[in-house]
Amino acid sequence: DAMVIQNPRYQVTQFGKPVTLSCSQTLNHNVMYWYQQKSSQAPKLLFHYYDKDFNNEADTPDNFQSRRPNTSFCFLDIRSPGLGDAAMYLCATSTGRRNQETQYFGPGTRLLVL
Amino acid sequence: AQKVTQAQTEISVVEKEDVTLDCVYETRDTTYYLFWYKQPPSGELVFLIRRNSFDEQNEISGRYSWNFQKSTSSFNFTITASQVVDSAVYFCALSEGGSEKLVFGKGTKLTVNP
Repeated sequence: DAMVIQNPRYQVTQFGKPVTLSCSQTLNHNVMYWYQQKSSQAPKLLFHYYDKDFNNEADTPDNFQSRRPNTSFCFLDIRSPGLGDAAMYLCATSTGRRNQETQYFGPGTRLLVL
Repeated sequence: AQKVTQAQTEISVVEKEDVTLDCVYETRDTTYYLFWYKQPPSGELVFLIRRNSFDEQNEISGRYSWNFQKSTSSFNFTITASQVVDSAVYFCALSEGGSEKLVFGKGTKLTVNP
């Protein structure tokens, strides 16, 4: 049974056209993360939510925004995608409780920008 | 500062060979967690193991084994009798106690040839 679900698995958008990627979880975890992973690189953390508390990484471009309307769902909005934003976007969750920090990842959404 | 080094960028072996993936970490915390994830070509990051800094016992799970040595700040991963299905990118990661964040190494791409 899928625990971290990402839709769609593949997304094609046009240069400059806003796009939203979605993530949902059935684990009831407190923390949800968004990572960007470019080809042959390690995942790079964009931001994360601890419950409703939003934590942005210092080097995340303003072009990237996130929403978490409830515990189960988290969205990644790219306001004006550029060619350099083509990547795999990974969502992950963790309990957020001390000593239980394992992150569980979804299957990812591969974004193509034309 | 936290850092994870996976010096081996790519490894290629023939099926049934044993292979060891190296991971060296840096942290100033006394409480931390180490992880290994597998990323097959499909893209999903699959959690393999989590080890806390107070538990130096080696672990074996089927053909997989992990050797944690605090004296050398290493957390190496060995696959015994490798199989084609083991072909993937393997990431070592570190999380300091109380932090929700993971620091990833750059990954090692393992190719197991028939």
